[in-house]
Amino acid sequence: GAVVSQHPSWVICKSGTSVKIECRSLDFQATTMFWYRQFPKQSLMLMATSNEGSKATYEQGVEKDKFLINHASLTLSTLTVTSAHPEDSSFYICSAGVRGLKNEQFFGPGTRLTVL
Amino acid sequence: GQNIDQPTEMTATEGAIVQINCTYQTSGFNGLFWYQQHAGEAPTFLSYNVLDGLEEKGRFSSFLSRSKGYSYLLLKELQMKDSASYLCAVRDGSENRDDKIIFGKGTRLHILP
Repeated sequence: GAVVSQHPSWVICKSGTSVKIECRSLDFQATTMFWYRQFPKQSLMLMATSNEGSKATYEQGVEKDKFLINHASLTLSTLTVTSAHPEDSSFYICSAGVRGLKNEQFFGPGTRLTVL
Repeated sequence: GQNIDQPTEMTATEGAIVQINCTYQTSGFNGLFWYQQHAGEAPTFLSYNVLDGLEEKGRFSSFLSRSKGYSYLLLKELQMKDSASYLCAVRDGSENRDDKIIFGKGTRLHILP
């Protein structure tokens, strides 16, 4: 099956620093990647949709200047949390879309961000 | 707008059967997914329905009624490892972004021995 990796799996940083999270599709080309955020005991909230070679589409309420998304190739998308604050602490999950009958999304293992 | 409703928590006994319901309201519809998520892990795909009816896959089955905006996930012969959150998600094609999947808040299923 399709494999999606994320790096790092967890990160702890000081308030005010920026953190970059990578999402890679390992054995397929993903034209679309999605970034989700999940707070404890809550469901996944879609942050943005990332298409290779174009600007990301952000969901309402998500600050595009704070959450920078780059999708430079068909196998890599990055999310940079700029000037992170404790309220940004969350579980960030990416998924990659595979076009086809099911248009299924394959999820990465997630990145646990803790901002001190 | 989009709205996906499912129960917050459910409890069932090992070896039994449990049905998790999901109702949805979306301006566009291009399929419904069920995912399983264990605490601290990413979701894993369970099922996909785009046509009305029942899809069976081993111990898990998923049902869809598009006219009623309703789906359920049926888990048989429950095992302790089935204790997890189950996420109902709808693929929304209303904005010509047909890959967008919207998740419900999830149902936390507790399995008792």
